[in-house]
Amino acid sequence: KQEVTQIPAALSVPEGENLVLNCSFTDSAIYNLQWFRQDPGKGLTSLLLIQSSQREQTSGRLNASLDKSSGRSTLYIAASQPGDSATYLCAVRPYSSASKIIFGSGTRLSIRP
Amino acid sequence: NAGVMQNPRHLVRRRGQEARLRCSPMKGHSHVYWYRQLPEEGLKFMVYLQKENIIDESGMPKERFSAEFPKEGPSILRIQQVVRGDSAAYFCASSPDAPSTEAFFGQGTRLTVV
Repeated sequence: KQEVTQIPAALSVPEGENLVLNCSFTDSAIYNLQWFRQDPGKGLTSLLLIQSSQREQTSGRLNASLDKSSGRSTLYIAASQPGDSATYLCAVRPYSSASKIIFGSGTRLSIRP
Repeated sequence: NAGVMQNPRHLVRRRGQEARLRCSPMKGHSHVYWYRQLPEEGLKFMVYLQKENIIDESGMPKERFSAEFPKEGPSILRIQQVVRGDSAAYFCASSPDAPSTEAFFGQGTRLTVV
């Protein structure tokens, strides 16, 4: 059974710092891994999608990596800003049940001005 | 190209009433997924549908919950005889045909049962 874990559950850093959010998954047989952002009381915004054959994806100040063999992904945020404060969710789509996207519980990020 | 549209955004129902949540997928997307997010919890899969077919409903409660995605019109998640525990945010996502493609989520419907 695929399980997705995100550590830490919450993180607070001062503005301007570079930071890394971690995601681990138990079954490496996945189609892809997706990182989302969720603001309080809002929906999910897709940030980056990494296909199983890829190692990383970049968008602006965000860089996501994927190491399928070890069941890990990281989301790197450069030069953090207060507007980056949100909950970041990692999700995988497993081969065993492609109809389901399995989510981690998220990391609640707070950037202090 | 509009994103995934859900309505209503907020829904208040008294215990015992019916709740109907609607989801219009992105243009060209024929796969729809419903997820539920309970307060302070993660997103849990409920059901996966393609046009006129329920493909996987393993995450749906056995009673009171149903979903459809008709040939014409939006996907509907129906909750009959709502109870306080149904209060949650319900999210819809859509994707193109292949399971390896990106999923796009709507803004959600926040159901409050009073």
